[in-house]
Amino acid sequence: DIQMTQSPSTLSASVGDRVTITCRASQSISSWLAWYQQKPGKAPKLLIYKASSLESGVPSRFSASGSGTEFSLTISSLQPDDFATYYCHQYNSYSGTFGQGTKVEIK
Amino acid sequence: EVQLVQSGAEVKKPGELLKISCKGSGYTFTSHWIGWVRQMPGKGLEWMGVIYPDDSDTRYSPSFQGQVTISVDKSISTAYLQWNSLKASDSAMYYCARRSRNGYHIDYWGQGTLVTVSS
Repeated sequence: DIQMTQSPSTLSASVGDRVTITCRASQSISSWLAWYQQKPGKAPKLLIYKASSLESGVPSRFSASGSGTEFSLTISSLQPDDFATYYCHQYNSYSGTFGQGTKVEIK
Repeated sequence: EVQLVQSGAEVKKPGELLKISCKGSGYTFTSHWIGWVRQMPGKGLEWMGVIYPDDSDTRYSPSFQGQVTISVDKSISTAYLQWNSLKASDSAMYYCARRSRNGYHIDYWGQGTLVTVSS
């Protein structure tokens, strides 16, 4: 099974900060990686697919990059609505493993 | 509009049987894999397995193989997640999710079904 290691687990930041979350796969997944945002009590929301493709309707302050085993999600200027938990998700195989999540908190 | 509508919250006792549902609408149900994701209280997302509604091809994550059964009734555009004997550790939120045909990432999620197992 492919393992996904996401870091940091918690990130404290202020409105306007640039933040980056990283995700590492235990083996190459090419570009088969997505990023999701989840707020308390809600289903996750797709932000990025195929490692760097921005989902329609998602603000352009979200961007992502990577391929193979190393990936990152960047929020260029953190907004109040962005305080949430973020998950990476590999879908190279049927198992579709998630990272452990990164909670972005208000500093 | 694509929608995945899940059945309501359940409260069950250990050892009981449970089947929760996920009804798809607004798209061709048989053309997209449907997956199930577990989220235990205060924890992260765990991929349980997927099913292709057109032919019921089912793949389980190793952690959930033998613990649950995923099925589908394509005549009513509904996928199911079933337990034959619930445990307290099955208490969690369960989401169904649709896989995109453009790369197989999850593009739509159900609203979640909360399962509580307690004696």
